Amino acid sequence: QKEVEQNSGPLSVPEGAIASLNCTYSDRVSQSFFWYRQYSGKSPELIMSIYSNGDKEDGRFTAQLNKASQYVSLLIRDSQPSDSATYLCAVNRYNTDKLIFGTGTRLQVFP
Amino acid sequence: DTAVSQTPKYLVTQMGNDKSIKCEQNLGHDTMYWYKQDSKKFLKIMFSYNNKELIINETVPNRFSPKSPDKAHLNLHINSLELGDSAVYFCASSPPGVQEQFFGPGTRLTVL
Repeated sequence: QKEVEQNSGPLSVPEGAIASLNCTYSDRVSQSFFWYRQYSGKSPELIMSIYSNGDKEDGRFTAQLNKASQYVSLLIRDSQPSDSATYLCAVNRYNTDKLIFGTGTRLQVFP
Repeated sequence: DTAVSQTPKYLVTQMGNDKSIKCEQNLGHDTMYWYKQDSKKFLKIMFSYNNKELIINETVPNRFSPKSPDKAHLNLHINSLELGDSAVYFCASSPPGVQEQFFGPGTRLTVL
């Protein structure tokens, strides 16, 4: 079992829709969770971090964390073609500085 | 600009050569990292340094040697390059006490 799992996609949504990206992790004691966006040929860019159960909203982005289910998700409201990218879920291994990344979900937003 | 920077952006070289990639951050962060992103886009940590001290050393061939002359710089030297070393190498940094990491633009290494 991979430490961090994501559906590779592509996830295709129409412009204006809500895109829902999901991630599961295996280490029950993980405490910190991150979503990175990576455009093709570019570096990962941090867009959300979440540390406690529940929802965290930032503009059009909402991160959701459920530690009991070992599940973290990212919702993108009012999706735009410029949101088309690969979204990487990252989980901090407990008591270390190590981030474990999923393989990413490719999102395509079509006009 | 405050950022994490890497040089060179592209590196094309022959098998067996030795090469170095440089990374600098002017964000005042204490911890710096090297990641490798392979052709399948999987991003995996290689090393991390905290204030010039090696903290994380993943299972990486010893042909790869990081060096941190000061906390703003972390270089990666690769000896005897192999075809399988072809990848994009990212440097990243994080502030003290925070796990959020900020990435440099990457160095695309191609070994022929």
